[in-house]
Amino acid sequence: DAGVIQSPRHEVTEMGQEVTLRCKPISGHNSLFWYRQTMMRGLELLIYFNNNVPIDDSGMPEDRFSAKMPNASFSTLKIQPSEPRDSAVYFCASSLGDVSNQPQHFGDGTRLSIL
Amino acid sequence: DQQVKQNSPSLSVQEGRISILNCDYTNSMFDYFLWYKKYPAEGPTFLISISSIKDKNEDGRFTVFLNKSAKHLSLHIVPSQPGDSAVYFCAATGNAGNMLTFGGGTRLMVKP
Repeated sequence: DAGVIQSPRHEVTEMGQEVTLRCKPISGHNSLFWYRQTMMRGLELLIYFNNNVPIDDSGMPEDRFSAKMPNASFSTLKIQPSEPRDSAVYFCASSLGDVSNQPQHFGDGTRLSIL
Repeated sequence: DQQVKQNSPSLSVQEGRISILNCDYTNSMFDYFLWYKKYPAEGPTFLISISSIKDKNEDGRFTVFLNKSAKHLSLHIVPSQPGDSAVYFCAATGNAGNMLTFGGGTRLMVKP
C-alpha cells in the first residue's frame, strides 16, 4: 500500500517567492496534518483537517502560510511570500480520524530552504 | 511551554543490551501516548502506543510503560540492535482527539 506521498522532496528558492508543498494522504484516511520540524522548535503541528475541513489552524505561524484540502486525496501548504526563517522540513501525515486513537502515518517530508 | 519533554537528547547503548528512552508530560488531559521512530531523510514511523487505561503495552522487542501519577512514560527496547539507531519521538494526545504534541526527540545509537 502506498504511504503518504509528499512533493517535492527538496525545494530551494529565494526569499519572497511563493512556495507550494503538496501531499497525498493514504487512501481512506480522513484526517490530514501538516507539521514543521526545526532544530529550535522540534516537530510542531501547523494545521489539521478532518473530512477536508480545517479543524485547527492555531499552529500556522503567520498569514503568509495557508493550507487547503480541495478533496480527500490532496492537500497543499503554501507560503507567500517566503522568508529564510521558513526553512525547515515540512511533514504531512494522515490517519483514520473518526476511529479513536489511530496513529498518524507520515510522509518523508519536504526539505525547504529559503535563501 | 513544552507539554511533552524528552530530557535526554541522545543515548548510546551496546548491541544486545536494553535501551530505555524516557518522556515526561505536564498536561493531565493527555490520555493516549505514542512513540515514533525516525531515520534520516524519512518521516517518523509509528512504533507503539499506550492508552491511559493501561500501564504497559508490549510489541515484540518494544515495551512502553506509563506512570500516570508521575506523568512519565518510557520505551524499552530489548535486545537493542544496530538497526534501532534512530531518533525516537514521544507524542501525546488528549481530548483534542487527533492532535499530537511531540517531544523533542532522543537520538539512540546502538553500537555493534
